[in-house]
Amino acid sequence: AQKVTQAQTEISVVEKEDVTLDCVYETRDTTYYLFWYKQPPSGELVFLIRRNSFDEQNEISGRYSWNFQKSTSSFNFTITASQVVDSAVYFCALSVRNSGYSTLTFGKGTMLLVSP
Amino acid sequence: ETGVTQTPRHLVMGMTNKKSLKCEQHLGHNAMYWYKQSAKKPLELMFVYNFKEQTENNSVPSRFSPECPNSSHLFLHLHTLQPEDSALYLCASSQIRGSISYEQYFGPGTRLTVT
Repeated sequence: AQKVTQAQTEISVVEKEDVTLDCVYETRDTTYYLFWYKQPPSGELVFLIRRNSFDEQNEISGRYSWNFQKSTSSFNFTITASQVVDSAVYFCALSVRNSGYSTLTFGKGTMLLVSP
Repeated sequence: ETGVTQTPRHLVMGMTNKKSLKCEQHLGHNAMYWYKQSAKKPLELMFVYNFKEQTENNSVPSRFSPECPNSSHLFLHLHTLQPEDSALYLCASSQIRGSISYEQYFGPGTRLTVT
């Protein structure tokens, strides 16, 4: 069975601070995919990144960066110079291939509050 | 329209009503999903349709009945719901190709309140 743990329930920062959201996953599969989604107050989950288990290269996209470490089963997400618009719930998710389709196992999410 | 759309955005229904949620994806994907998001609970996968065929039913009560007439449309028919079914219902779609798990794209959700 798969499991995703986001230990931080809520994080509050002041604008321009850097913030890291933690994600730890469990799976016995050797091939898997990791995702991050953002859910603003409007409710829609917005896809941010997909990473497969064979690619441990860190990724940077603007103010966002992701640190994938298989040795610790972690896929952490850092927002640099946070902005008020970054306030949202962020979900980490894990997918393994399963008989013709893929399903996502989500963590419980981390609510990020960025104040001016 | 682009992406994944859902209607209605908000729905209030009594426990004896029958209603349907609609989802449409404009991304050319071949898999569609229904999720339930309750307060303080992880997102729960309810149903998966792959090429219009239901491939997963996560022990969902029979008062929820999905329908997928084609790869672009997905419905969730509701009848005799309970107050604990009040939640945000999210639809998603993705591409299924070979052994790769592609990302799912989500609609804005239907906020359901059962009275």
